[in-house]
Amino acid sequence: SQTIHQWPATLVQPVGSPLSLECTVEGTSNPNLYWYRQAAGRGLQLLFYSVGIGQISSEVPQNLSASRPQDRQFILSSKKLLLSDSGFYLCAWSVKLSRGQYFGPGTRLTVL
Amino acid sequence: KNEVEQSPQNLTAQEGEFITINCSYSVGISALHWLQQHPGGGIVSLFMLSSGKKKHGRLIATINIQEKHSSLHITASHPRDSAVYICAVKGISNFGNEKLTFGTGTRLTIIP
Repeated sequence: SQTIHQWPATLVQPVGSPLSLECTVEGTSNPNLYWYRQAAGRGLQLLFYSVGIGQISSEVPQNLSASRPQDRQFILSSKKLLLSDSGFYLCAWSVKLSRGQYFGPGTRLTVL
Repeated sequence: KNEVEQSPQNLTAQEGEFITINCSYSVGISALHWLQQHPGGGIVSLFMLSSGKKKHGRLIATINIQEKHSSLHITASHPRDSAVYICAVKGISNFGNEKLTFGTGTRLTIIP
């Protein structure tokens, strides 16, 4: 069966510090991968999606970046965090040409 | 105006009541998801549907493609149903990457 992992579960970082959140998927090959952010009191917002290794599409301009160094690994990064980067970050995966999407447990990021 | 609108935003009910949460969307879709987000943040997919009606336990989801409207019903509600319920749609134009557009969610609280 397929599983999706995210870490860390919670993170408190100072403004201006770097960020690296990791997401891995097990039990499937060549998935589509997604990074979402949920700010306090707001809906989920798609940040990045990837259809393959090294292929990243950005949905919104921001100081975050994403990379996919391996088939089932998706990394969300920032060189310098802003206060507005605080939120709940969710990774998700889907099988290509499928309508279903499966979410990871999420990382709660607080930037102080 | 958001592409996906949910109502109500907040709903408080007594245990045992019949619950209805509504979702309206303004774009053509290939699928609609109902998701459940618990206080810890994790998201679970409840239903994915493109027509008609689906039932799982005490949960029922319906969709009317012509009216661009879906409802999530909970029968015999229980305090453990307390969560945020999120509607998300996959647009027809999003072939190949399964990008979802999310509503802002309905916060449901069931009082014992």
